[in-house]
Amino acid sequence: NAGVTQTPKFRVLKTGQSMTLLCAQDMNHEYMYWYRQDPGMGLRLIHYSVGEGTTAKGEVPDGYNVSRLKKQNFLLGLESAAPSQTSVYFCASTRTLLGDTQYFGPGTRLTVL
Amino acid sequence: DAKTTQPPSMDCAEGRAANLPCNHSTISGNEYVYWYRQIHSQGPQYIIHGLKNNETNEMASLIITEDRKSSTLILPHATLRDTAVYYCIVRITFDYKLSFGAGTTVTVRA
Repeated sequence: NAGVTQTPKFRVLKTGQSMTLLCAQDMNHEYMYWYRQDPGMGLRLIHYSVGEGTTAKGEVPDGYNVSRLKKQNFLLGLESAAPSQTSVYFCASTRTLLGDTQYFGPGTRLTVL
Repeated sequence: DAKTTQPPSMDCAEGRAANLPCNHSTISGNEYVYWYRQIHSQGPQYIIHGLKNNETNEMASLIITEDRKSSTLILPHATLRDTAVYYCIVRITFDYKLSFGAGTTVTVRA
C-alpha cells in the first residue's frame, strides 16, 4: 500500500513550456485534490475531483487544467508555464467527506525559469 | 478570511509536553477542528480532529474549550522529530476543502 504518490519529484521548466504532474493513490479514494505551496505560506487548493470523470476549480485554478480519467489517478497540467507557477505541488486524497482525513503525497518541486 | 489564529512560532524542550494553542472564535456548530503538521519539505500529515469533545490518539491530544472558540493540541513527549509547522484548520463536515493558514512553526530543542 503506497498511499499517495507523485511523479516527478522535481522539474525545471522554461517559461512557456508545458508539463503534466501525475498523482496516483491506491486506497480507492473518491476525492482527490491538487494544492500548491509557495515559500513560507500554507497550501492553496488549485483543483479537486469528487469522483472519476469529475473535476472542479479550487481557490487558484488559473493557468492549470486537470483530468481524472481513472479513479486512482489525478493529473495536473500546465499548458504554458510561467515563473509565478514556481512552487511545490501536493496531491491529496480522501475516502469521503464525512470527517475523513486527507492523505498527502510527498510533493513535486517545480521551478519555472 | 482566516478562520483560525495561531502563534507564528514556539520552542519546546525535548521530552517535555508541547502545548499548541489555536483560536477559532467564529467557529460554527457543524465545523470540526483539524490539526495537521508538515515536516520540512514533506506533505502535510494528519494528526487529530474533533468536534466538541476532547480527543486522544497515539500522536497527540486535542483539548477543545467548552465554548469551542479555542483549542490546544498537546504533544505529550516532544521529540526532535516533532519539529514541524503545525496547522489548525476548521472545516465543515461535508466541505471538500482544507484551508491552510500560516501555522505555528514548532522547534523542539535537545
